[in-house]
Parts: sequence; C-alpha cells; structure tokens
Amino acid sequence: GDSVTQMEGPVTLSEEAFLTINCTYTATGYPSLFWYVQYPGEGLQLLLKATKADDKGSNKGFEATYRKETTSFHLEKGSVQVSDSAVYFCALSDNAGGTSYGKLTFGQGTILTVHP
Amino acid sequence: GAVVSQHPSWVICKSGTSVKIECRSLDFQATTMFWYRQFPKQSLMLMATSNEGSKATYEQGVEKDKFLINHASLTLSTLTVTSAHPEDSSFYICSARHRLSNQPQHFGDGTRLSIL
Repeated sequence: GDSVTQMEGPVTLSEEAFLTINCTYTATGYPSLFWYVQYPGEGLQLLLKATKADDKGSNKGFEATYRKETTSFHLEKGSVQVSDSAVYFCALSDNAGGTSYGKLTFGQGTILTVHP
Repeated sequence: GAVVSQHPSWVICKSGTSVKIECRSLDFQATTMFWYRQFPKQSLMLMATSNEGSKATYEQGVEKDKFLINHASLTLSTLTVTSAHPEDSSFYICSARHRLSNQPQHFGDGTRLSIL
C-alpha cells in the first residue's frame, strides 16, 4: 500500500535559520503530494501541494519539489520565523479516476520549534 | 470558503458515557467526510469514510459499534463514541471533501476528548 516517511523530529532552529524536512513516499501510480501544517490544538491546514513530477509547490516562503526519480517531496524554507513553530505533515493522495483525489496517507509528522 | 466546523472542541466525560462529535461543512455540500484519530505527537489515523445517505466505511481495526458514524445530510456528519473508556481519549479530527475544491480535503479544528 501507499506510505509516507518523514524525517524524525523534533527539529529545533533559531529564527532565520534554513529549514529542510525530508519526505519520501511509496505509491503505485502517480500520486499528488502535499504538505500540511498543524498549529497546537488545531486541525490541519494545507501548506502547499504538487500534482505531478517536477512541480514545485510554494506558499508563505515554504517550497517543495515533486521528485519522481527519488520519490521525494522535501519541504524547505530559507529563513524560518518563530510563528512557523508547528507540526508539519507530508501526505499523498492517489488520483482516483484521474479527476479527483483519493484518500490521504500521512507521514508521522515533524515537530518544528523556532526560537527567537 | 470551504470551512469545516467541528463541535465541541473539547470534552471531558466520565467512563461509560457516550459522546457525540459534530462535523459541519459551513459553506459547501460535502458528499464525503472523513474521521481521523490522532494520538499525542503522532500522525493522523483514518478511522472511517462517511458518505451522505449511506453507511460509513471503516478502516481495518476500527470498531464499528464503538465509533458510530452518521452522515444524514450533505453538511453534517457525526461521530459518537459509545461507552467511552479512558483508552478512547484522543484528538479526533474530521474533514470534508469539496467537489469544486483544488484540495483533497478540508479539515476541522479537532475535538479533544478526555475520558476520566
């Protein structure tokens, strides 16, 4: 079955540091890939997505590139802020029927803490 | 747009009671809703997929009689934890699929359930 593996955390950084959170996946077919963010006590918010190979998703300074050859979707940000402290989930969705998303499969999540 | 509201956000109850959690799509019709369970510092585990007007599809290992799901309308799904015990304490998150959205699912803010 489909699976997502994220680098284990927690990750602790100083403000303005560079962030990388690794994500690799196993899937049949051509899944869509996502990064979600979860702030304490809240549900998940979509951060960015990529639906085909070599696509780059970006939002709020975060970016990730869909690498089919390495089955990876690593999340990066050049300069983190304290407000970026949260849990980050990598996820994939099979494209059921090619016109809509199927179920989401999540990685285990990575806790990011940014200190001033 | 595409707001999902979950209620209550936090509930504490005694062992043996039943607890109902509501998930509403506020500004769209959701033919499919999902229920997840999240343990502390862990990923989301899909419990069941709920389709309006039909029985929910439960994931392997999820007790149907313990976690009753009803999706009676296009904007409301409920999860009832029956005869709750301390091991049922967890963070429960619902999500809804919006047919016209470019996202696979829109998430509620979750319900923190504590069984004493």
